[in-house]
Amino acid sequence: IAGITQAPTSQILAAGRRMTLRCTQDMRHNAMYWYRQDLGLGLRLIHYSNTAGTTGKGEVPDGYSVSRANTDDFPLTLASAVPSQTSVYFCASSDGGRATDTQYFGPGTRLTVL
Amino acid sequence: GQNIDQPTEMTATEGAIVQINCTYQTSGFNGLFWYQQHAGEAPTFLSYNVLDGLEEKGRFSSFLSRSKGYSYLLLKELQMKDSASYLCAVRDSNYQLIWGAGTKLIIKP
Repeated sequence: IAGITQAPTSQILAAGRRMTLRCTQDMRHNAMYWYRQDLGLGLRLIHYSNTAGTTGKGEVPDGYSVSRANTDDFPLTLASAVPSQTSVYFCASSDGGRATDTQYFGPGTRLTVL
Repeated sequence: GQNIDQPTEMTATEGAIVQINCTYQTSGFNGLFWYQQHAGEAPTFLSYNVLDGLEEKGRFSSFLSRSKGYSYLLLKELQMKDSASYLCAVRDSNYQLIWGAGTKLIIKP
């Protein structure tokens, strides 16, 4: 593994189903993030984690939950999917320092909720 | 509220120069980023500005004026592979990135 991986690449999901999007990084970055990207809108932060064991809410957290049991993994769970959660989901990570702290992105998961 | 404005779409000719503007109004400022995103792919980091002035990196340069809440990305010697969306993002007082909707750049031969 080099960088950030996400799974699945794409998914079609029935409304009401539970779904977990996976994200793994091998850069030993402290901070990780989940964004959604919708046409005509900027990336919007769903949840973030500054370090293993801690999480925080972003701009659009409703309907989503996350956990950060270790440094490498940051899964995003949709407890009961709704059509408005149709989007492209990007996971990102950064070293968490207060200098440049550049975020690096995974390849994304394209989710369709019907 | 917090706001990042960029043009939705721009068109330029191969070999030419193009400037993509970004204006922002955020609660606090802790740096401005430019990312490139090809269709169907992830955003990739291009540049970072935290002090006023111009940062040059090969064919790409980024400028920042904090007093004006303004930045631009300058792309020189345009190549067809530069066709992509360019995303402006500002890190606010909570150290979270606020993102613009992106500028789709179309390069014509």
